[in-house]
Amino acid sequence: EVQLVQSGAEVKKPGESLRISCKGSGYSFTSYWISWVRQMPGKGLEWMGRIDPSDSYTNYSPSFQGHVTISADKSISTAYLQWSSLKASDTAMYYCARSDWLPEKYYFDYWGQGTLVTVSS
Amino acid sequence: DIQMTQSPSSLSASVGDRVTITCRASQGISNYLAWYQQKPGKVPKLLIYAASTLQSGVPSRFSGSGSGTDFTLTISSLQPEDVATYYCQKYNSALQTFGQGTKVEIK
Repeated sequence: EVQLVQSGAEVKKPGESLRISCKGSGYSFTSYWISWVRQMPGKGLEWMGRIDPSDSYTNYSPSFQGHVTISADKSISTAYLQWSSLKASDTAMYYCARSDWLPEKYYFDYWGQGTLVTVSS
Repeated sequence: DIQMTQSPSSLSASVGDRVTITCRASQGISNYLAWYQQKPGKVPKLLIYAASTLQSGVPSRFSGSGSGTDFTLTISSLQPEDVATYYCQKYNSALQTFGQGTKVEIK
């Protein structure tokens, strides 16, 4: 069974750093892209970026480039989303999602359960 | 960047009604279009990919059509369990974009 299991909810203060994780199982982790999707409270889905776990090649949305870092450790089938200095506006639910490496299959067939990040002083 | 515009932003319909949601791309994307359903408080779920291919396990009352710039998601007979927000997503390149969502409610 394919599963993407994300790390638990986080409460942080502005200026703090944070790394959340997404662990894949039930499939070949290095054969699929992992994307991160933001959903701010009461708002829609925003694609942030993605990583190829086989070589850690990344693509970022221009809206998120430079604000977050996506990484992966293929030895433990885990992808990460990282902030160096959180802002209150980073408060959101963050999802990881899997897509095939073939361009015609870049849609997201499996999603993680989401990680709620709350940034408040 | 290609923008994805959904309409309407929300709708209210009766059980059994036929519901249609539209998604328009600012440039042609062939059939690289997916639809997702997100029920309140839940994780998004893939409904349709390649504009018209139903994901395994999705009820047949859902269908998709279109190519190029104009796409539609149709629910042939709205059910109470279809209350959700629906999102289109273009995936014709590395830069992927969602529409803003359409909230579907029962009248």
